[in-house]
Amino acid sequence: ETGVTQTPRHLVMGMTNKKSLKCEQHLGHNAMYWYKQSAKKPLELMFVYNFKEQTENNSVPSRFSPECPNSSHLFLHLHTLQPEDSALYLCASSQGGQGTFEQYFGPGTRLTVT
Amino acid sequence: KNQVEQSPQSLIILEGKNCTLQCNYTVSPFSNLRWYKQDTGRGPVSLTIMTFSENTKSNGRYTATLDADTKQSSLHITASQLSDSASYICVVSAGTMNYGGSQGNLIFGKGTKLSVKP
Repeated sequence: ETGVTQTPRHLVMGMTNKKSLKCEQHLGHNAMYWYKQSAKKPLELMFVYNFKEQTENNSVPSRFSPECPNSSHLFLHLHTLQPEDSALYLCASSQGGQGTFEQYFGPGTRLTVT
Repeated sequence: KNQVEQSPQSLIILEGKNCTLQCNYTVSPFSNLRWYKQDTGRGPVSLTIMTFSENTKSNGRYTATLDADTKQSSLHITASQLSDSASYICVVSAGTMNYGGSQGNLIFGKGTKLSVKP
């Protein structure tokens, strides 16, 4: 257990559905992240939040919409996804900036878009 | 362009044997280098973090080395166990040493998939 939990662990959705991924960290960290991991590709940083404020958006399509109501919770709202969006979505947290501080990852949500 | 290259892409070894995984990077400015272990279907777990001034760091049977001059790192696994079967990801942080509250920039390698057979 890394102190970062994600739900659901598996999700299958159609292209017209709307769903949300949830992440919660119990480490008292100030920064939270969403990553996408596709087969045979490096982890791709999607969004960064510091003290609930979004500080980075790596050109992610608008069909992915993050929400950070407080420093412990992070959501990723999904709508009208494409099959190529099927991947493992990982949440992470860190004490401070990712460049300096160690990141702790959750177990991920395996998303399949049909 | 900032890049992290790992080799081999995959590796199969017998239980009890040692192995070494390689990581070459072209990242500037360099802040730190990390090795993560990722079990199938799980999130990565940190093994080591090394800054510019550290050239070796151990975590149990895992020993990471860093040569900042040649921009190479290795992860050595001693007396492998079946539970070592996983992907090992090298990550380099680009940014100044005292980045404060800023994010820096993490460059991820594609990972080496290690299978330990009985």
